[in-house]
Amino acid sequence: AQSVTQPDIHITVSEGASLELRCNYSYGATPYLFWYVQSPGQGLQLLLKYFSGDTLVQGIKGFEAEFKRSQSSFNLRKPSVHWSDAAEYFCAVNSGYSTLTFGKGTMLLVSP
Amino acid sequence: NAGVTQTPKFRVLKTGQSMTLLCAQDMNHEYMYWYRQDPGMGLRLIHYSVGEGTTAKGEVPDGYNVSRLKKQNFLLGLESAAPSQTSVYFCASTPTGRDQPQHFGDGTRLSIL
Repeated sequence: AQSVTQPDIHITVSEGASLELRCNYSYGATPYLFWYVQSPGQGLQLLLKYFSGDTLVQGIKGFEAEFKRSQSSFNLRKPSVHWSDAAEYFCAVNSGYSTLTFGKGTMLLVSP
Repeated sequence: NAGVTQTPKFRVLKTGQSMTLLCAQDMNHEYMYWYRQDPGMGLRLIHYSVGEGTTAKGEVPDGYNVSRLKKQNFLLGLESAAPSQTSVYFCASTPTGRDQPQHFGDGTRLSIL
């Protein structure tokens, strides 16, 4: 069965510092991978997706993610974090019939 | 363009009461989903639909029923609410295909006393 692991429940980053959020997946076939962001009281917004081609994908708000098949990882990165990036981030893998399996999320806190 | 609209946004129920959550999308998407979100658990799929008139069970379907009588609407029903169903419920939709992202509503906060 497919699964997604986000090892970090909370991460605190200073404003202006770089960010990396980890995501590991378990899926037998070629994975379709997504990162979503959720601001308090809101639904989820797509940051970026990967399903083929270049393993480094660019998303909205300056985020990027790198797919590494050998490590079963799809880590999210941003070179310089802004206070408005404070939110919860979810990694997800497509499980078939466009159903998604989500990780449990990583809460990002941004310190001044 | 409204996208995915969920009603109501908040609701408090007593144990044993019934209610229906409505999800409407105006993007002509084929697939629709209901999730619940609980602290530390991420999003878990309750039921989903791959087209009008179809429904299927997700990861946590017990205690819920769904209907997709019209393509644009996906209803989630609780026949006899239990405190364990206190959660935030999200509806999502997507066109077809594994590479299509899901579009989410803003959620319904449901408390069952």
